[in-house]
Amino acid sequence: QKEVEQDPGPLSVPEGAIVSLNCTYSNSAFQYFMWYRQYSRKGPELLMYTYSSGNKEDGRFTAQVDKSSKYISLFIRDSQPSDSATYLCAMSDGTASKLTFGTGTRLQVTL
Amino acid sequence: SQTIHQWPATLVQPVGSPLSLECTVEGTSNPNLYWYRQAAGRGLQLLFYSVGIGQISSEVPQNLSASRPQDRQFILSSKKLLLSDSGFYLCAWSVGGSVVQPQHFGDGTRLSIL
Repeated sequence: QKEVEQDPGPLSVPEGAIVSLNCTYSNSAFQYFMWYRQYSRKGPELLMYTYSSGNKEDGRFTAQVDKSSKYISLFIRDSQPSDSATYLCAMSDGTASKLTFGTGTRLQVTL
Repeated sequence: SQTIHQWPATLVQPVGSPLSLECTVEGTSNPNLYWYRQAAGRGLQLLFYSVGIGQISSEVPQNLSASRPQDRQFILSSKKLLLSDSGFYLCAWSVGGSVVQPQHFGDGTRLSIL
């Protein structure tokens, strides 16, 4: 079993929809959680960074962490075609700044 | 603001040839530096990380090596490339120190071995 599981998609939604992207993990020591967006042929770009459980909002993006269920989510409101990309979750237990990444979910927002 | 530069963007090399990929960071001091390889459907695999000049930790035994000759320079090398070394190589940096900080990535090098 992988430490971090992420549905690879692709996930196709119409413009304006609310998107929910999710990751599950098995290591209960993880306490730092990140979401990255990666466009084709580019490096990942940090979207959200959260510590421990709870919600964090930044514009159209909301990150949610449920440590009791070992489940994290990224919600995108009013999705745009420019949101079409691969979304990677990443997490750390706090040792040596090393991150464990999910394999990414490919999102396609259609007009 | 901090920026990270990686080059070249694309590289085609024959099997058995040497490799040198360079990464530099600007606008910060004493960063943690990382090399990853990304394969389709397999996520990001950490190859090397460094917390200071000359300090390199290897995560996966392989045909590659890394060096950090200067504070903000990180180099990925190989003496003889294998077909299996093909992939998308990403350099990243994070703020140094004991608290976990997010990593920030360059735009990668797509390496094809023929």
